[in-house]
Amino acid sequence: EAEVAQSPRYKITEKSQAVAFWCDPISGHATLYWYRQILGQGPELLVQFQDESVVDDSQLPKDRFSAERLKGVDSTLKIQPAELGDSAMYLCASSLLRGGYTFGSGTRLTVV
Amino acid sequence: AQTVTQSQPEMSVQEAETVTLSCTYDTSESDYYLFWYKQPPSRQMILVIRQEAYKQQNATENRFSVNFQKAAKSFSLKISDSQLGDAAMYFCAYKQGNTGNQFYFGTGTSLTVIP
Repeated sequence: EAEVAQSPRYKITEKSQAVAFWCDPISGHATLYWYRQILGQGPELLVQFQDESVVDDSQLPKDRFSAERLKGVDSTLKIQPAELGDSAMYLCASSLLRGGYTFGSGTRLTVV
Repeated sequence: AQTVTQSQPEMSVQEAETVTLSCTYDTSESDYYLFWYKQPPSRQMILVIRQEAYKQQNATENRFSVNFQKAAKSFSLKISDSQLGDAAMYFCAYKQGNTGNQFYFGTGTSLTVIP
């Protein structure tokens, strides 16, 4: 069964360091999403791509977060510098234009 | 903005019994979808059941069924014959009917299944 691949699975980083997460969506899924899930809460959208273009990044803290999907396939989410409050699960999801929404297993970030 | 509310942070159920998880939502749209996702400790979000707003018939997937009350904007999940493997966080989610729109999630309900 096709899946959304994310790496690393876990990441511990020191405050003020840079950190990056990678997501490889299901082949053929044009839409890719990055969500942040703080412990005890539901996921919240950070950024949405349609192919290589950003569709919605209204909730992305652009002073420290960046996301790219250069070839419209895999994507990288970067945080620089990381802050203690960035500790969370970062979930990637992908979908077809209509339906077929699948989540990855996430990257759990701990900032110390 | 759309909001999804889950008023039960925690629920418990005896194995083999039935439990209902509550969800309400707020929207002015007429074309939308509602979902229940399960998130076990492995943290991957797993789709449990989905309901199209235009369908009057409640969705059912094996032991999982929903009670969709469109006028009341209510979307509860019923789990019958609860199993130990059902223990997880359950999230209610809303998605507009247009292509590629984001999900709006509730804060989740932690379900414990008691042997």
